Amino acid sequence: NAGVTQTPKFQVLKTGQSMTLQCAQDMNHEYMSWYRQDPGMGLRLIHYSVGAGITDQGEVPNGYNVSRSTTEDFPLRLLSAAPSQTSVYFCASSYVGVDTEAFFGQGTRLTVV
Amino acid sequence: AQTVTQSQPEMSVQEAETVTLSCTYDTSESDYYLFWYKQPPSRQMILVIRQEAYKQQNATENRFSVNFQKAAKSFSLKISDSQLGDAAMYFCAYNAPSGSRLTFGEGTQLTVNP
Repeated sequence: NAGVTQTPKFQVLKTGQSMTLQCAQDMNHEYMSWYRQDPGMGLRLIHYSVGAGITDQGEVPNGYNVSRSTTEDFPLRLLSAAPSQTSVYFCASSYVGVDTEAFFGQGTRLTVV
Repeated sequence: AQTVTQSQPEMSVQEAETVTLSCTYDTSESDYYLFWYKQPPSRQMILVIRQEAYKQQNATENRFSVNFQKAAKSFSLKISDSQLGDAAMYFCAYNAPSGSRLTFGEGTQLTVNP
């Protein structure tokens, strides 16, 4: 059982480049989300989805796009990378419900130079 | 909007001793869940313990327990008999009744000294 698979683990981008962070889960979870982790700021929600075809913005959505065409996949796109997007990114999935445990990918350390 | 605050950026404890990590939150909801997640150097996020707001009894998982004070909106984590493997970043998190917006605190970096 793979759980939540996130790729790549590390990435260096030049300012202005675009890229897609991949996230896939095999637990048939309805809910998927993307967070960024910065020192002293915890994890902040970028975008989330409660099912295929449904996405919504989180706390820090600017500069990021998402789509959810299948239950399993939830890619995060950076359209024009900026140094302020240097961070560690986490994808998470769970069943929808207030008590449900979130399962996280291994994270992607992104550096924008 | 809900907020979660961890006022201790760093804590340290001697091996086999007990340590308490603090967390406060703000919400207008009456029913919700609170969580503590552990992030070791591997970066993997691991659920440590969860607490339902409607339950008066504090949750316990082996050496980990919480002190949940609903009126004070406080949710602290107590680690007993600390082990070297407990060294990690610990995050407090709140889940809204809709279940779709997990909000995290800033994190507390725990060091365990041998």
